[in-house]
Amino acid sequence: QVQLVESGGGLVKPGGSLRLSCAASGFSFSDFYMTWIRQAPGKGLEWVSYISQTGSTMSYSDSVKGRFTISRDNAKNSLYLQMNSLRADDTAVYYCARKNTWGSGDYWGQGTLATVSS
Amino acid sequence: QSALTQPASVSGSPGQSITLSCTGTTSDVGAYNHVSWYQQHPGKAPKLLIYGVNERPSGVSNRFSGSKSGNTASLTISGLQAEDEADYYCSSYTISSTWVFGGGTKLTVL
Repeated sequence: QVQLVESGGGLVKPGGSLRLSCAASGFSFSDFYMTWIRQAPGKGLEWVSYISQTGSTMSYSDSVKGRFTISRDNAKNSLYLQMNSLRADDTAVYYCARKNTWGSGDYWGQGTLATVSS
Repeated sequence: QSALTQPASVSGSPGQSITLSCTGTTSDVGAYNHVSWYQQHPGKAPKLLIYGVNERPSGVSNRFSGSKSGNTASLTISGLQAEDEADYYCSSYTISSTWVFGGGTKLTVL
């Protein structure tokens, strides 16, 4: 069965960095676009970034462009999100999701909480 | 990248049908049929209900259906059940090759 497990969240000071990971299993990881979506405490979902199967195509929301970098390692069935210059408003649960052929997130991980606070 | 517009809350009684709306622009909902709907229960990850405007993933009840007219997409839930009480989010691809979510609608089953 498809499984996505995020890790790497934690408490970091403003201006700091975090690297989130998403371990995928149960499907051919290299065949799918992948995406990161976040949810601030008590707030709605916000799309963050996506990456193509080979990593040649990436896109970012305006709120994270220039600070976050999405990447993947198909040999390790893993997705990453490098988050730099973190701000308080980056505090959120970060979900990774597999994108189906229509671009919708058909499988989601359980999320990892990143807290940016001094 | 403005969020799609969803009503903050809706309510209905068991057995009723309700429709949730999701209004975008000609740059997102109106531009493509890449509209999705997600259901999220408290403390849980979102679950895909509808993709491609009106397609249901395997295992999703046929009580959920989607449609689109112009810049507005809709999710209809028929035969409302207690377990349908949750937050619902729409999402759309945009002409900027990005994705955007709606602010979410909290559904209360009376």
